[in-house]
Amino acid sequence: QKEVEQDPGPLSVPEGAIVSLNCTYSNSAFQYFMWYRQYSRKGPELLMYTYSSGNKEDGRFTAQVDKSSKYISLFIRDSQPSDSATYLCAMSAEEGNNRLAFGKGNQVVVIP
Amino acid sequence: DTAVSQTPKYLVTQMGNDKSIKCEQNLGHDTMYWYKQDSKKFLKIMFSYNNKELIINETVPNRFSPKSPDKAHLNLHINSLELGDSAVYFCASSRNRQGAGVSPLHFGNGTRLTVT
Repeated sequence: QKEVEQDPGPLSVPEGAIVSLNCTYSNSAFQYFMWYRQYSRKGPELLMYTYSSGNKEDGRFTAQVDKSSKYISLFIRDSQPSDSATYLCAMSAEEGNNRLAFGKGNQVVVIP
Repeated sequence: DTAVSQTPKYLVTQMGNDKSIKCEQNLGHDTMYWYKQDSKKFLKIMFSYNNKELIINETVPNRFSPKSPDKAHLNLHINSLELGDSAVYFCASSRNRQGAGVSPLHFGNGTRLTVT
């Protein structure tokens, strides 16, 4: 079993819909949780960062962490065609990026 | 100005050749990385350098050799290329901030390596 599991999709939604993405993990020591967004032919860019459990909201994006279930989620409200990208979850048990474990990425397509 | 730039963007070469990929960052970051993204989009760290010093060397064949002439540059040299080396290679950088959690990784746009 990989440390981080993420259903690669693709996930197609109509414009304006709520997009729900999630990752599960096996390492209970993980405490830093991130979502990266990767547009086609580009490098990933950090979208959201959460430490430990709880919710974090940034505009149309909400990240949730449930450490008891080893489950993290990303919600995109009022999705736009510009949200079409691959979303990768990433997590680490320690500070810094040296032991960052990425999920496979979930491709999202928002249809106008 | 591109923050993390890597060249070339595309690299097509034959098995057995030796090739290099260059990376430069102008963000003033202390730490640079090489990641490999395979055909299934799985992103995996290969190397991490902090201030020109190798910090991480994951289970990567020794045909891959990183070189950091200064903290703004991290190049990747690959000897005796194999078909399985075909992937997208990403350079990245981040600040090294102790006691501040995780600093965002800033990625380049990748080098698409195809070995035939």
